[in-house]
Amino acid sequence: DVQLVESGGGLVQPGGSLRLSCVASGLSVRSNYMSWVRQAPGKGLEWVSIIYGDGTTYYADSVKGRFIISRDNSKTLLNLQMNSLRPEDTAVYYCARYYGAGSYFFDYWGQGTLVTVSS
Amino acid sequence: QSALTQPASVSGSPEQSITISCTGTTSDIANYNYVSWYQQHPGKAPKLMIYEVYKRPSGVSNRFFGSKSGNTASLMISGLQAEDEADYYCTSYASTTGLVVFGGGTKLTVL
Repeated sequence: DVQLVESGGGLVQPGGSLRLSCVASGLSVRSNYMSWVRQAPGKGLEWVSIIYGDGTTYYADSVKGRFIISRDNSKTLLNLQMNSLRPEDTAVYYCARYYGAGSYFFDYWGQGTLVTVSS
Repeated sequence: QSALTQPASVSGSPEQSITISCTGTTSDIANYNYVSWYQQHPGKAPKLMIYEVYKRPSGVSNRFFGSKSGNTASLMISGLQAEDEADYYCTSYASTTGLVVFGGGTKLTVL
């Protein structure tokens, strides 16, 4: 079974940084397309960043230049480095597998980690 | 403002059928069969219910049916049950970005 477990969320001041992690079991983050999707309180889903198996990365315009998606050398860890955080970045951040090879959907999701940006 | 348009809410009684629409453009839904639907209960992660317009992942009830006509995709749920009460989101591949776009979500209330 595939399991994705996020961590690293918390309270941070505007302008600060936070690093989210997602530990995967049952799949390799290096050979799959992986993503971060967020949901602001009471709002809808918004994809934040995607990394392809070949390392190509994509970012939503709202986070471009501030967030960095990466994988470590293991097969199990996906990261999201969030810099210059703004109050509008407050959201639950989900790690999800993005089935982007020949189709386009998110099939496995973590339980999410809450990021709150506030002074 | 979301790229795909969904009604904010729909409701139905137990055992009835409801349909949730998802309207896009020629850059997404109309020209690509990559529509997917997600169910999200309060405080829980989204769950994939439909992909590639009408395909159901293993374990998803056949009471959920996806379809598409023109630039509008639809999710029909038949035999409504209390457990179906949730938020539902559609996505589609979008040629403008080469990635997916989300709908704004629809809250389903089972009366």
